[in-house]
Parts: sequence; C-alpha cells; structure tokens
Amino acid sequence: EAGVTQFPSHSVIEKGQTVTLRCDPISGHDNLYWYRRVMGKEIKFLLHFVKESKQDESGMPNNRFLAERTGGTYSTLKVQPAELEDSGVYFCASSQGTDRVFYRNTEAFFGQGTRLTVV
Amino acid sequence: DQQVKQNSPSLSVQEGRISILNCDYTNSMFDYFLWYKKYPAEGPTFLISISSIKDKNEDGRFTVFLNKSAKHLSLHIVPSQPGDSAVYFCAAAGFSGAGSYQLTFGKGTKLSVIP
Repeated sequence: EAGVTQFPSHSVIEKGQTVTLRCDPISGHDNLYWYRRVMGKEIKFLLHFVKESKQDESGMPNNRFLAERTGGTYSTLKVQPAELEDSGVYFCASSQGTDRVFYRNTEAFFGQGTRLTVV
Repeated sequence: DQQVKQNSPSLSVQEGRISILNCDYTNSMFDYFLWYKKYPAEGPTFLISISSIKDKNEDGRFTVFLNKSAKHLSLHIVPSQPGDSAVYFCAAAGFSGAGSYQLTFGKGTKLSVIP
C-alpha cells in the first residue's frame, strides 16, 4: 500500500513567486493535515481536512496560504506570493476516522515533506 | 506559547545503554500522546503512543511513561542501538478550539547512539 506522498520534495523559488505543494494521502483516509517545520523549531499545525471540508485552518499563517482538497482525495497548498519567512519543510499527514482521529493503535502517517526555500 | 516542550535538543548515548527522552506539556486537555522518529529527508514515522488513562506502554525496546499529574512523559529505549540515531518528536493529541482533533509537536530531540 502506498504511503503519503508529497510533491515536489524540494522547491526553491524567489520572493514574490507562487508555489503549489501537493499531497496524496493514503487511500481511504478521510483526515488530511498540513504541518510546517521552520528550521530548528517545532512541527506546527496548519490545517485539517475531513474529506473535502476544512475542519480547522487556525494554523494557517495568513491569507497568502490557500489549501484545497477537491473531491476529498489529494490536497494542494498554494503560497502566493511567497515570502522569505515561508521557508521550511511542509509535511502532510493522513489518518483514518472522522469523529476521533487518534485512538489506540491508530496514528497519523506522514509524507516525506516538501522543503521550500524562498530566496 | 509552546504547549509541548522537549527541553533537550540533543542527547548522546553509548550503544547498549538506556536512552531517556523527556517531554512536558501544559494543556491538560491532551488525551493521547505519541512519539515520532524522524530521519533526515524523511517524514516523521510513528513509534509508540499512550492514552492518558494509562501510565505505561511498552513495545519491544521502547517504553513510554506518562505522569499526568506532572504533565510529563518520557520515552525509554533499551538497549540503544546505532540505528536509533534520529530526531525524536513528542506529540500530544487533543481537540483544538475549532473542534479539530490534531497533534501538537515538541521541537524534537536529536538522539545519537555511539557504537
């Protein structure tokens, strides 16, 4: 079974440009999360989809970030226009379940991350 | 404000000895705790978890202890092996204000197991 896959693995863009990150969750997982780790800091929550609906987007830094999950399958995270402070590793995770995401013997599976560098 | 804290950014342990990684949390609404292991250029992978109704969970060489009154958990690895060298993230699960059940991570502890 394929795991969570993210594309691209690396992206280097100039300040002011647009970048779109993609995440393909594990098939059948209703929950999809985006997280970000800025260098040396904790992995921070950005937002949570349940199927195609945004359950919680309280972690999104500002309106330059737009996430979509059309059809409840893959998700995209667009940054437009990118700023220097957006640099970091963006992780996507998916898990089963709807009402309760994490219960015994279940956890979120993470993708390998997309390393975004804004210069 | 950090709700999950890993105060040791790094830890070095001799092969065969015990590794103890610590984690403190502040939010008493967290009800499930997880440890993730991360190698360079890879995403975090689940290692072990514990529900808030338990105080210990063991899986092979890995044991997680939870002290709810102290809001503290620890991960014990014994015996430590060189392949255990990685960054270990402590994570706590709970409902956010928006009703989303999500993970809150610590900053991670880099474990180096010396052969």
